Amino acid sequence: SAVISQKPSRDICQRGTSLTIQCQVDSQVTMMFWYRQQPGQSLTLIATANQGSEATYESGFVIDKFPISRPNLTFSTLTVSNMSPEDSSIYLCSVVPRLHSYEQYFGPGTRLTVT
Amino acid sequence: KNEVEQSPQNLTAQEGEFITINCSYSVGISALHWLQQHPGGGIVSLFMLSSGKKKHGRLIATINIQEKHSSLHITASHPRDSAVYICAVQRGSQGNLIFGKGTKLSVKP
Repeated sequence: SAVISQKPSRDICQRGTSLTIQCQVDSQVTMMFWYRQQPGQSLTLIATANQGSEATYESGFVIDKFPISRPNLTFSTLTVSNMSPEDSSIYLCSVVPRLHSYEQYFGPGTRLTVT
Repeated sequence: KNEVEQSPQNLTAQEGEFITINCSYSVGISALHWLQQHPGGGIVSLFMLSSGKKKHGRLIATINIQEKHSSLHITASHPRDSAVYICAVQRGSQGNLIFGKGTKLSVKP
């Protein structure tokens, strides 16, 4: 298994500012994903965080708005830039520990409110 | 139409009742996950299924690949089971998950 921590657990931010969310895993993992859950909606994939290279973004999400870093196999950050109230969501990090494994583990989430 | 549909959306039960949550999907999958999300937002993985049935304590999950359908059962429900239960499907061994909207379960004492 993998134990995942996220920081911050929650934040209230002002419109136009940026917030960086950290995801730390207690072991090296092959895949790391960032998801968003808007109020009343299902989780949606933002991007796959690739170690040592640019993240792979899903349709509707762009690097300028959601820059992602993954400097090593245990850590990733997601930045929500130039925030608006529509960015108020829970942001979750998830990991796939091993190649050819179907197991996925989730972080505790970051609850973001933009005023 | 969403690729993953759950029913019911909301469910209220009395303590001790047997609960069933259903999940239907429309795409080919390699695995199906049942997840539990508590009010704080954190998600716990309950089951990962590619065929048949799994049991863990009072929880049972089944999947019918031909019918593209899965069910999550909770026996002898308890107020601490109150949470949102989410069905998610996986395509490929390393792929991301496609999520249902979740079923909000409330178990009354």
